[in-house]
Amino acid sequence: ETGVTQSPTHLIKTRGQQVTLRCSSQSGHNTVSWYQQALGQGPQFIFQYYREEENGRGNFPPRFSGLQFPNYSSELNVNALELDDSALYLCASSPSGRVDEKLFFGSGTQLSVL
Amino acid sequence: AQKITQTQPGMFVQEKEAVTLDCTYDTSDPSYGLFWYKQPSSGEMIFLIYQGSYDQQNATEGRYSLNFQKARKSANLVISASQLGDSAMYFCAMREGRGFQKLVFGTGTRLLVSP
Repeated sequence: ETGVTQSPTHLIKTRGQQVTLRCSSQSGHNTVSWYQQALGQGPQFIFQYYREEENGRGNFPPRFSGLQFPNYSSELNVNALELDDSALYLCASSPSGRVDEKLFFGSGTQLSVL
Repeated sequence: AQKITQTQPGMFVQEKEAVTLDCTYDTSDPSYGLFWYKQPSSGEMIFLIYQGSYDQQNATEGRYSLNFQKARKSANLVISASQLGDSAMYFCAMREGRGFQKLVFGTGTRLLVSP
């Protein structure tokens, strides 16, 4: 059983650029969430997709957007990058999106904005 | 107001000893859930244990147990018989929202297990 995989593992961008991060959810999982983890902090919820629809969003501006595809893989897009966007971006999947289900996380994409 | 508080930035324990990692939470919702995740240096968050607010008994998963004290709003993680591989960051998290999964995480505790 393949776990959650994220690509790329590391990325360096400059301020104002746009970035796309990718996530393949675990086999059989239809729900994907994205989290941002700044250095020395716990992860912060960005949004969640359930069966290709966004069904929950955290306190992030609209320049953070996403997609979930029919195979339940997902993308996180960030426009107009700012220095504060530098963080580890974690993707997590779960089998059915029940609120008490455990999340299966990938190893993340480390984004540096210069 | 911070909803999850982990007051221990770092903890040390000797191999084979037990250790307790503290977590307090704040919510007015009678229905909530508490998770503990482990994050090794690889970055991946690994699920350890879950406690629902209506669960009558404290959760256990192998060497992990959760000391759930509802009135005190605390959900401490107890690791028994520590192993060197337990060295990692540990995060307490509370689920929010009813229609979707949203976890609110604390700032974490770094655990170091020494031989």
